[in-house]
Formats: sequence, structure tokens, C-alpha cells
Amino acid sequence: GALVYQYPRRTICKSGTSMRMECQAVGFQATSVAWYRQSPQKTFELIALSTVNSAIKYEQNFTQEKFPISHPNLSFSSMTVLNAYLEDRGLYLCGASDSEQYFGPGTRLTVL
Amino acid sequence: QQKVQQSPESLIVPEGAMTSLNCTFSDSASQYFAWYRQHSGKAPKALMSIFSNGEKEEGRFTIHLNKASLHFSLHIRDSQPSDSALYLCAVSIEWYAGAKLTFGGGTRLTVRP
Repeated sequence: GALVYQYPRRTICKSGTSMRMECQAVGFQATSVAWYRQSPQKTFELIALSTVNSAIKYEQNFTQEKFPISHPNLSFSSMTVLNAYLEDRGLYLCGASDSEQYFGPGTRLTVL
Repeated sequence: QQKVQQSPESLIVPEGAMTSLNCTFSDSASQYFAWYRQHSGKAPKALMSIFSNGEKEEGRFTIHLNKASLHFSLHIRDSQPSDSALYLCAVSIEWYAGAKLTFGGGTRLTVRP
């Protein structure tokens, strides 16, 4: 079956530092990977959509300079939160897709 | 920009009741409509999806779509305490689920035994 793993599951970083999270698709080819953030008391916001062999599209309020994404092949994607501050805390979800979208368990980021 | 809204924000129903959750969207070009369920501390899991107007039933769950009124809904028959969770509706312009999903704010459902 199709599975999506995310690493790490939880992480804590100091304000102003950066952290990288990974997304691994198993059992299918992730032609698209979407990264979402669920901030406290908010719904999921799409950060960016990455399609292999196409430019990564960032949503309004999210930039490549803040959330650089790598999607080098059909099974892996990573995203870094640069210079993290309190407002960056939340659950970061990776949604990997072939013809259906499968979510990973998320990376929960706490910023101190 | 697509706007997706859910109602109600929270709902408490007794065990065995019929539960109805609503979702409205703003972009009439939307082609994919889905409901996700998220238990506390976990990632959302897809419940059901639909592409064309009408109804689709899977077990106790029915999804109903009316594109003309920019509305779709989820109905849960014989609600169970295990159905208690955050329910999220999601809409996509593309025909398949894989691309950009816009989520609603969620409805928190509590089913009392």
C-alpha cells in the first residue's frame, strides 16, 4: 500500500534557528508533494506545491526564502523552516500524490 | 483565491444520531471535493471524495455535492463515539486529489455515548 513517512515527528528549535523536515513516499511515485502547516487554532494552510520537473509554487504569505523545498525524485521531498519564530510553530504535513493524495503523520515544530 | 468554509464549527450529537456537516467553496471551476477526518494529534485521513454532482455512499457515510450552489456535505448515519474527531473538507481545482487542496476550517464532532 501507499505510505508516507515524515521525519522528525517532533522537533524543538530555538527562535532564530532553522530546521529541516523530510517526507518519504513508499509504495507509489510521488509526482506531486504538497507541504501544509496547521498552526494552533487554525486549519491547514498550503505552503507550496512541488511537482517533479516543474517549478515549486508557493502560496501567498509563504516564500522560498523562508521555506526552501527540495523534491529531487519521486519518493522524497524536504522542506526547511529558516529562521524560525513563534508564528512558525505547528504541525507540518506532507501530502504526496500520484492519483490520490496521501498524508504523512506530520512534523510538529515547537519554537522556544 | 479559493475560499472554503465549514459549518458548524462544532457539533455534539448523541450516539445513533444522523450527523450532517457542511462545506461551501468559492471557485466554480473546482473539480475535486473530499472529506478528511483528523483524530487528536494525528494526521488527517481521507474519508470520501467525489468529482461530480450527486451522492456517493460508503457504509455509514454519504457525501453529497451540488456544484451549482457551491456546496457539499457529509452525512454520518448511526453516529458512533469513535466518529468523534475534527472533520475537514477540502477542495481542489484539479480533477485528482494530488494537487493543491484548500481546506475548510473544520468541524469538531463529539458523539456522546
